[in-house]
Amino acid sequence: AQKVTQTQTSISVMEKTTVTMDCVYETQDSSYFLFWYKQTASGEIVFLIRQDSYKKENATVGHYSLNFQKPKSSIGLIITATQIEDSAVYFCAMREGTGGYKVVFGSGTRLLVSP
Amino acid sequence: DAGVTQTPRHEVAEKGQTIILKCEPVSGHNDLFWYRQTKIQGLELLSYFRSKSLMEDGGAFKDRFKAEMLNSSFSTLKIQPTEPKDSAVYLCASSFSDSNERLFFGHGTKLSVL
Repeated sequence: AQKVTQTQTSISVMEKTTVTMDCVYETQDSSYFLFWYKQTASGEIVFLIRQDSYKKENATVGHYSLNFQKPKSSIGLIITATQIEDSAVYFCAMREGTGGYKVVFGSGTRLLVSP
Repeated sequence: DAGVTQTPRHEVAEKGQTIILKCEPVSGHNDLFWYRQTKIQGLELLSYFRSKSLMEDGGAFKDRFKAEMLNSSFSTLKIQPTEPKDSAVYLCASSFSDSNERLFFGHGTKLSVL
């Protein structure tokens, strides 16, 4: 069965610093896709970045990047040069490559960026 | 571009009532998901449809929760009868039918059961 675990409930950082959020996952599938989503204070959930399990290179989009460590079943989200507006809850999610393609989420990490 | 539309945005129900939440997915998306979000449990999968077929029905939610996809552009989630512990935000999301496709979320329906 799929499982996604985020152990950090909240992180506080100063603006313009780099933050890493952890996520580990469990799957029996050989092909899967890992996602990070952001939920803002208004409740809106938006997609940030995706990592394909068969790709060795880490995905990067803007000031978001991933640290994909497949042997450890780990997919960390790195935000560089944090901004106040990065304050939000970040969810890690997994979608398996075979079967029904359902999406399972972690419990989320709340990030607070202070000036 | 029309995203995922959920109605109503807020719902207040008395214990024992039946409520129906509605969702319109992004046009062209074949996958539709219903999630319940609470502070303690996070995002829990209630139901998952592909091309109107129920793929997953979130075992723990079977008895009082029923999601239906009446056509490719409309889904409902019925809770009957409601209980105070059902108070949560109910989120609908849709995507294209491929495992590498991201989800698009609606703004959610905040349900309060008194």
